[in-house]
Amino acid sequence: QKEVEQNSGPLSVPEGAIASLNCTYSDRGSQSFFWYRQYSGKSPELIMSIYSNGDKEDGRFTAQLNKASQYVSLLIRDSQPSDSATYLCAIGGGADGLTFGKGTHLIIQP
Amino acid sequence: DAMVIQNPRYQVTQFGKPVTLSCSQTLNHNVMYWYQQKSSQAPKLLFHYYDKDFNNEADTPDNFQSRRPNTSFCFLDIRSPGLGDAAMYLCATSGVGRRVDEQFFGPGTRLTVL
Repeated sequence: QKEVEQNSGPLSVPEGAIASLNCTYSDRGSQSFFWYRQYSGKSPELIMSIYSNGDKEDGRFTAQLNKASQYVSLLIRDSQPSDSATYLCAIGGGADGLTFGKGTHLIIQP
Repeated sequence: DAMVIQNPRYQVTQFGKPVTLSCSQTLNHNVMYWYQQKSSQAPKLLFHYYDKDFNNEADTPDNFQSRRPNTSFCFLDIRSPGLGDAAMYLCATSGVGRRVDEQFFGPGTRLTVL
C-alpha cells in the first residue's frame, strides 16, 4: 500500500516570500513524482513533474527530489496571493494511477 | 485546445436514483481514470481504462460501474447513490511512454445526493 504524507497546514507565507511544501512517500520503488495545485471547488492542475534526483525549475516553481530520503518538495518563489491553494503531492504508478497526499493548504498573505 | 471535458458540472440526484457522469477528451490519450474526491481529502482512484482494458481498484464499491465506448469517451455510472457518494468526481487522462502517469484532469462533476 503506497502512502503519501503531507502536512495539511494551513501554511501561511507573506507575499513575495518563498513557500516551501514538503511530501514524503512510502514506496521506495516509486519513479515519478508530481505536484498539483487545486483551488477550492476546482479540479487538480498539474504544475510540476520530476523523475530524477535533484532540482527541476519552471518559472517561479522548483521541485526537489531525494529518492534516498523518499522526500519531494516544492518551492514557490516570489509568492503571490494567486498561489493560495491546496497543493497535492502525487506519486506515479505507471498507467495504474496516481497516489495522492491529502494536500497542503497554502495561504499567501498580502 | 486539447482538453478533458466533464458533463454535467453539477449533478443533483435522489438517494437510490441512478446517475451517469460523462467524460470526453480530445488529447487522444490511451488511459482514462475516474477519481472520487470528498471534501478535504485526497482524490481516490476508482478505476481506469488502458485503451479498452478495464482496471477496477480493489476497494471500489460494486455500486460504481464504468463504460468506455471509444477512445474519446468514458462514463461513470452510480447505480444506487447513497448519501456517502456525494463528492467531486474527477476524470483524468494520460498518454503513453515515459509520461504515461502524467495525468490531466477535467473540471470535475460535483454530485449532491438528497
